[in-house]
Amino acid sequence: DADVTQTPRNRITKTGKRIMLECSQTKGHDRMYWYRQDPGLGLRLIYYSFDVKDINKGEISDGYSVSRQAQAKFSLSLESAIPNQTALYFCATSDLTGQGGEQFFGPGTRLTVL
Amino acid sequence: RKEVEQDPGPFNVPEGATVAFNCTYSNSASQSFFWYRQDCRKEPKLLMSVYSSGNEDGRFTAQLNRASQYISLLIRDSKLSDSATYLCAVNPPRGFKTIFGAGTRLFVKA
Repeated sequence: DADVTQTPRNRITKTGKRIMLECSQTKGHDRMYWYRQDPGLGLRLIYYSFDVKDINKGEISDGYSVSRQAQAKFSLSLESAIPNQTALYFCATSDLTGQGGEQFFGPGTRLTVL
Repeated sequence: RKEVEQDPGPFNVPEGATVAFNCTYSNSASQSFFWYRQDCRKEPKLLMSVYSSGNEDGRFTAQLNRASQYISLLIRDSKLSDSATYLCAVNPPRGFKTIFGAGTRLFVKA
């Protein structure tokens, strides 16, 4: 079984709809991250969380919100989706070693906003 | 200037070739460095960490040049299966937010 899972894997929605992307991990890591990936722009950090009570904005948090329901679960919401939020979204985890070591990514959610 | 920059490529090389990628970073106090591999439409996976002394794993060699603020990845004896996008990643000082480059695409041809 995958250590980091994401649901749904693919989603097509319409402008203005509320969307939730979910991430679960069995690695026991405290740190969790949400990124979006666009062609030519690489991975950009949306939000990150170091534990259940710690939520931080990344570089492109506008239009997004998150919830850390438990150590193992970190959800990303688009309150009112817009077409430029069409992207590939990745959840990732890492442990507390040093100043941030390897990140483990989920398989991604491909979101299309029409 | 972007915090982490890579040549997007693509690099088209024949099987057996040696190919090298560089990645520059802007924060001279950055602490740790990584190379990730990403296959088409898949998630990134760690290829190797980059240590100050450099490190080698089979056909792959990673090096860090702090003076010039870049890391490099050398792939020897390229295989068809090496075709992928290679992302460099840098952790800034006192920061826990890894910064990724946009990736370099490699195509290895028979």
